[in-house]
Amino acid sequence: NAGVTQTPKFQVLKTGQSMTLQCAQDMNHNSMYWYRQDPGMGLRLIYYSASEGTTDKGEVPNGYNVSRLNKREFSLRLESAAPSQTSVYFCASTGPPGGGGELFFGEGSRLTVL
Amino acid sequence: GIQVEQSPPDLILQEGANSTLRCNFSDSVNNLQWFHQNPWGQLINLFYIPSGTKQNGRLSATTVATERYSLLYISSSQTTDSGVYFCAVTTSGTYKYIFGTGTRLKVLA
Repeated sequence: NAGVTQTPKFQVLKTGQSMTLQCAQDMNHNSMYWYRQDPGMGLRLIYYSASEGTTDKGEVPNGYNVSRLNKREFSLRLESAAPSQTSVYFCASTGPPGGGGELFFGEGSRLTVL
Repeated sequence: GIQVEQSPPDLILQEGANSTLRCNFSDSVNNLQWFHQNPWGQLINLFYIPSGTKQNGRLSATTVATERYSLLYISSSQTTDSGVYFCAVTTSGTYKYIFGTGTRLKVLA
């Protein structure tokens, strides 16, 4: 049972480069989330998608865009990476149509911006 | 938005000791979950507990939603319990899971 899968697991970028983090879940969940975790800190919500076709800003959306490609997949794009975006990025999903329910996480993607 | 505070921020225990971690939240919640982030960075689900009490082995949790707090109890701690413990909540009418500030636990052999 794969659960939530993120790719890539590691990435190094130069300032100004762009990249997309991919996330897919195989649990038929409705809601998906992107978080970032800076060293020694907690998780902060970047964007979430309550259901297929909808996306909303979280606590720290600036510098990011998202796409809910279908029910399974939710991608996070950095158009022009900055050193402040060096972080570990986590994707998560949860099932019930009304939102909430138990949250399941992927293993994280470690991004370094030089 | 809702504020989620955890205490204590840091905790050091000898193996075999018991501990209580607290999660306070500033508004009514309709979902609450406890996670353990191990030293390798993986987030492990411990309890989904919007209200009531649950137990799983040496760990148990209690949420008193009316008083806006949740407690995580760890008994007979082991070195493998080391890491960071987070609570996360959603408020009514939102899909946003907001995380607490975390408690960093170190268990010494």
